[in-house]
Amino acid sequence: SQQGEEDPQALSIQEGENATMNCSYKTSINNLQWYRQNSGRGLVHLILIRSNEREKHSGRLRVTLDTSKKSSSLLITASRAADTASYFCATDYSGAGSYQLTFGKGTKLSVIP
Amino acid sequence: DAGVIQSTRHEVTEMGQEVTLRCKPISGHDYLFWYRQTMMRGLELLIYFNNNVPIDDSGMPEDRFSAKMPNASFSTLKIQPSEPRDSAVYFCASSSSPYNEQFFGPGTRLTVL
Repeated sequence: SQQGEEDPQALSIQEGENATMNCSYKTSINNLQWYRQNSGRGLVHLILIRSNEREKHSGRLRVTLDTSKKSSSLLITASRAADTASYFCATDYSGAGSYQLTFGKGTKLSVIP
Repeated sequence: DAGVIQSTRHEVTEMGQEVTLRCKPISGHDYLFWYRQTMMRGLELLIYFNNNVPIDDSGMPEDRFSAKMPNASFSTLKIQPSEPRDSAVYFCASSSSPYNEQFFGPGTRLTVL
């Protein structure tokens, strides 16, 4: 079963507002990553947060990680129409000589100009 | 840097036919991943390679699917025979380490009639 689950499934906001997306996962992880996917395109990496980190910033993006609750959030501040896309969290873990990066089903964000 | 290349954006084939998807990873990346994305199941990892060697193919759905990486700059995913339920977008991604960000190709949308 998939590791990460995003919430909400869809989010519609006005340009300039902040957008918050949440991700929950089930097992211990090494890292958690957030990706963006524009319609008809491949995924683009946004930010990686390691299991020993609690918060990370990159431009207008802020990611938090709470390993005790097995959850993460992605905050996009001052949203723009160009932020319209699907956002995925991906959790990784390794074991038995293998590695898995598991993606959630994503949050579809619509930013209305 | 040209990024991950999947030169075929759309592939249409008929049920029972063999279809081969191709990928050129970013030069210097030792890890290559094949994913499949559908509305129902989201993004699933099919198989990944490290230094051209398949490490984990547990995500390959059936024996009809096979993947090869004959050299560091080329990988193929073959489906034989293809079925309508194989219709999906297939992504190739590469990275320098499984714990770092992955760089995705634009994907190949496969339609099996």
